[in-house]
Amino acid sequence: AQKVTQAQTEISVVEKEDVTLDCVYETRDTTYYLFWYKQPPSGELVFLIRRNSFDEQNEISGRYSWNFQKSTSSFNFTITASQVVDSAVYFCALTDMEYGNKLVFGAGTILRVKS
Amino acid sequence: EAQVTQNPRYLITVTGKKLTVTCSQNMNHEYMSWYRQDPGLGLRQIYYSMNVEVTDKGDVPEGYKVSRKEKRNFPLILESPSPNQTSLYFCASAQGGHEQFFGPGTRLTVL
Repeated sequence: AQKVTQAQTEISVVEKEDVTLDCVYETRDTTYYLFWYKQPPSGELVFLIRRNSFDEQNEISGRYSWNFQKSTSSFNFTITASQVVDSAVYFCALTDMEYGNKLVFGAGTILRVKS
Repeated sequence: EAQVTQNPRYLITVTGKKLTVTCSQNMNHEYMSWYRQDPGLGLRQIYYSMNVEVTDKGDVPEGYKVSRKEKRNFPLILESPSPNQTSLYFCASAQGGHEQFFGPGTRLTVL
């Protein structure tokens, strides 16, 4: 069965620290997509990245970077030089191709960045 | 502007009073879906629709109904709401395996 595990329930860091959010997944599919979403205190879900299973290149976008490793079924997210505005809940998600575009979400990691 | 809209954004109701949460997208997406978000559980899919008149159950469909009469609209119906349906609800749409666009969320409280 499709499953996403975000083992870190909550992380607290001080501004300018680097922080890595872990995501481990299980899937029966050979083709799949992985996502990260951010949910700020206002509640909306903000898309951050989509990665398909054939593309293991790491990606960097400003202070954000993602490390996808199929060998360990992990898709970790690192924020460099964290800022207070990064405080949010972060969700990792995996497509379940048997059900079209269904997303299977992890439980989320609450990130608190203190000034 | 490409978007998914939901109404209402906030709703407090009482047990047993039928309600509908509307969802509309302007991107001509074939796929639409409803999720509910509960603390510690992440988001779980309630129902989804692959196209007009094609709907199917997700992981937690009990107590909910949906319909897809038009491509752009995918309302969520609670025939007889109960307190365990108090949650934050998100509608989403997508095309292919691409990014799912989420609505702003509807916070529902059932007393």
